[in-house]
Amino acid sequence: DGGITQSPKYLFRKEGQNVTLSCEQNLNHDAMYWYRQDPGQGLRLIYYSQIVNDFQKGDIAEGYSVSREKKESFPLTVTSAQKNPTAFYLCASSMGQGLRNEQFFGPGTRLTVL
Amino acid sequence: GDSVTQMEGPVTLSEEAFLTINCTYTATGYPSLFWYVQYPGEGLQLLLKATKADDKGSNKGFEATYRKETTSFHLEKGSVQVSDSAVYFCALNSGGYQKVTFGIGTKLQVIP
Repeated sequence: DGGITQSPKYLFRKEGQNVTLSCEQNLNHDAMYWYRQDPGQGLRLIYYSQIVNDFQKGDIAEGYSVSREKKESFPLTVTSAQKNPTAFYLCASSMGQGLRNEQFFGPGTRLTVL
Repeated sequence: GDSVTQMEGPVTLSEEAFLTINCTYTATGYPSLFWYVQYPGEGLQLLLKATKADDKGSNKGFEATYRKETTSFHLEKGSVQVSDSAVYFCALNSGGYQKVTFGIGTKLQVIP
């Protein structure tokens, strides 16, 4: 079955630590995205990537970093510079920038800072 | 810039009641419109979409019509079930990789 996988489902981090969230897709999609979801705030875009070895900052990129070395993979690192990292993180992908292209979402990773 | 407005809720309904969740938008050009559903602890799933004015998207008993004159895309279902309890997001795509805008999400609770 084609889809998007995220791991781990739950992640706990001590203050001052960097953590990396995994996102893998086998849909052969060019574009991938990372969103942060907080209660009452909907989804906010962190980073997106249109193609391998290229990525762009979204609305709330500070304290995060990404890489896109393979088409299938788009890991997100939450650095110690992110002041309030506790949130639900969602990875998504789409075929491209076409107007009609919907985004497909993974199951999410819930990050908690202890 | 683009924006999507929907009530946060929660919306509480009895089983078999009629559902309407309002969604209005502002956007440049002629966007595509989407409804996504999120069950507790999960990611978002596409529920339905419409890509041009007067299109009606439908799936699993849910419907929404793209109304350009009122810039709306209201979600409706004739008879809700307990299993429809979830958060519903309205979204638009006005083109380009960064141009998908989501509403705040509306939580629906259906009680037996």
